[in-house]
Amino acid sequence: DVVVTQSPLSLPVTLGQPASISCRSSQGLVHNDGNTYLIWFHQRPGQSPRRLIYKVSNRDSGVPDRFSGSGSGTDFTLEISRVEAEDVGLYYCMQGTHWPPTFGQGTKVEIK
Amino acid sequence: QVQLVESGGGLVKPGGSLRLTCAAYGLTLTEQYMTWIRQAPGKGLEWVSSVSNSVSGSVISYADSVKGRFTLSRDNAKNSMFLQVDSLRVEDTAVYYCTRGASKNAFDIWGLGTLVTVSS
Repeated sequence: DVVVTQSPLSLPVTLGQPASISCRSSQGLVHNDGNTYLIWFHQRPGQSPRRLIYKVSNRDSGVPDRFSGSGSGTDFTLEISRVEAEDVGLYYCMQGTHWPPTFGQGTKVEIK
Repeated sequence: QVQLVESGGGLVKPGGSLRLTCAAYGLTLTEQYMTWIRQAPGKGLEWVSSVSNSVSGSVISYADSVKGRFTLSRDNAKNSMFLQVDSLRVEDTAVYYCTRGASKNAFDIWGLGTLVTVSS
C-alpha cells in the first residue's frame, strides 16, 4: 500500500497567521488517466471528516478561499492563508490514485 | 438533501458480532461506490471496505485487517448498506463511518458514524 506521511503532526498557530501542512506519498500519485488524486480533509473535534480539497487543488463547495492545495508527484501542501478559530482540528491528506486509498496520520492544528 | 446515517454500533465482547447499517437519503446507493472507514479512539482514518456501483459489478474489497471477519452488503429496496462485523477484536474498537466513493475523488459525503466498542 502507498504510505502517506504528513508533517508536522502538531501545528500551533496564531489567529490571522498562515499555516502550512506537508503531505508526502511513497509513490507518485499521477493516475493513468492523467489526474492526481490527492485529497485533504478537516475534522473538527467530535465531528465527521469533511472534504476540503480534491485533485490537489480543487476546493469543495463552501470551503473558504483561505484554504489552498498545491503540489505534484509525491509532495503536496495544504495552506491556510489566515487561520481562523473555526480552523482548529485535525487535517488529513489521502491518496486516491492507488488501491486501496490511504491516509496520512493527521495534523492537529490548534491556536496558540 | 443528501445524507448518510449509520447505526448498529454498541458494546460487544471479544469474539462477538454486530451489524452496522448505513441508510442513504437523497442518493441511490446502487449507483454509487460506497466505503466504510473507521477511526479508533484518538487515532487516524483507516479504510475498511468498499463496494463498487451496480454498473461496475458491485465488487467488494476489504482491508487485510478485516478480511474474513467483516462482510459488506447492500439492500437495494431499503437503499442501505451493511457491514457485518464478526469475530471482533479489541483493536476493532472505533467509530465506523460510511462515505460515498472509493478512490479518486472520493469521500465527499460522510455520515456521523457509529461507535463499536469491543471490551470484556
